[in-house]
Amino acid sequence: SQTIHQWPATLVQPVGSPLSLECTVEGTSNPNLYWYRQAAGRGLQLLFYSVGIGQISSEVPQNLSASRPQDRQFILSSKKLLLSDSGFYLCAWSPQGHSYNEQFFGPGTRLTVL
Amino acid sequence: EDKVVQSPLSLVVHEGDTVTLNCSYEVTNFRSLLWYKQEKKAPTFLFMLTSSGIEKKSGRLSSILDKKELSSILNITATQTGDSAIYLCAVRRNSGYALNFGKGTSLLVTP
Repeated sequence: SQTIHQWPATLVQPVGSPLSLECTVEGTSNPNLYWYRQAAGRGLQLLFYSVGIGQISSEVPQNLSASRPQDRQFILSSKKLLLSDSGFYLCAWSPQGHSYNEQFFGPGTRLTVL
Repeated sequence: EDKVVQSPLSLVVHEGDTVTLNCSYEVTNFRSLLWYKQEKKAPTFLFMLTSSGIEKKSGRLSSILDKKELSSILNITATQTGDSAIYLCAVRRNSGYALNFGKGTSLLVTP
């Protein structure tokens, strides 16, 4: 069966510091991968998605970037965090191909920027 | 811009009550609507609806899509405290990979 891991679970960072959140998927090959952010009072917002190694699409302009160095690894980064980057970050995966609609979520990372 | 609106935003009921959660959407080239349950961390998938008028059912939970009214409802019968969670609705277009989520309905079931 497939599992998705995220770490760290919780992170408190000062404004201006860098960020690296990691997501890995087990039990499947060539998945589509997604980064979402859930800010207080707002719905889940798609930040990035990837359909393959090195292929990243950005949904909204922001202070963050994403990379996919390996098939089942997805990384969310920032060079300098802003207060507005605080939120709950969720990684998700779905099987390749448009015929699959369900996305399966990881446990999330709660980021607080102070 | 796509819109997904859920109502109510929050709801408190007693165990045994039946609840109905609503989701309305405006999306170009609609493909599907999905319901998720989020307890403390990861949203877990409940239902995916693509055809109008067909009910999806799992135990005490059921959902139906009305493409004419651009909406869906999620019903929970004989609620239990374990049903307490945020229920998220999302829609997907025929093109692209994004799921567009509503803000969710926070349900609290009291003993």
